Amino acid sequence: EAQVTQNPRYLITVTGKKLTVTCSQNMNHEYMSWYRQDPGLGLRQIYYSMNVEVTDKGDVPEGYKVSRKEKRNFPLILESPSPNQTSLYFCASSFLPSYLQYFGPGTRLTVT
Amino acid sequence: DAKTTQPPSMDCAEGRAANLPCNHSTISGNEYVYWYRQIHSQGPQYIIHGLKNNETNEMASLIITEDRKSSTLILPHATLRDTAVYYCIVKGDGGNQFYFGTGTSLTVIP
Repeated sequence: EAQVTQNPRYLITVTGKKLTVTCSQNMNHEYMSWYRQDPGLGLRQIYYSMNVEVTDKGDVPEGYKVSRKEKRNFPLILESPSPNQTSLYFCASSFLPSYLQYFGPGTRLTVT
Repeated sequence: DAKTTQPPSMDCAEGRAANLPCNHSTISGNEYVYWYRQIHSQGPQYIIHGLKNNETNEMASLIITEDRKSSTLILPHATLRDTAVYYCIVKGDGGNQFYFGTGTSLTVIP
């Protein structure tokens, strides 16, 4: 089954404790992206990747890192999480040049 | 700097057509308009996309104005399961970044 998976689905952590949210797709998509969703602000793009080893900043990259060492994986790294990073995070992927994005189920992160 | 503008909420009677408008006045000449919807807090789901001609698929129709500054998503016979937030999105000018905005919350009323 074609899908985008994210882990974990729920995470509660403390300020400053490094964490990684994994994203994996089995569709051989070139394009992958991370979004965060906050009440009243909609979905905002954090980082995206056009292919292996090619990443770029989205609208709200501060406090996040990404890497794309393999085509199927695009982890999101929070090296020193802060409470303002409490949010619902979505990973997405698509073929190029269609950009028809498939979204993962979301990761709800709470930083206390 | 909003790339798209949508009304925050709309209601539609079950069985009637739902027409969801979107303004994208800064869209580039060769950029597509994409529509997605999100039910509760699930991952957004692709609906339809278009460049300049009207498009139709099994889920919806998309009408794009001739000047491409606005579009309308049409759900021809809305059902209760169509209650969701609908996003009209475009790519950044010359880039590969997407702007979702806050969407339109559609409520289908029995």
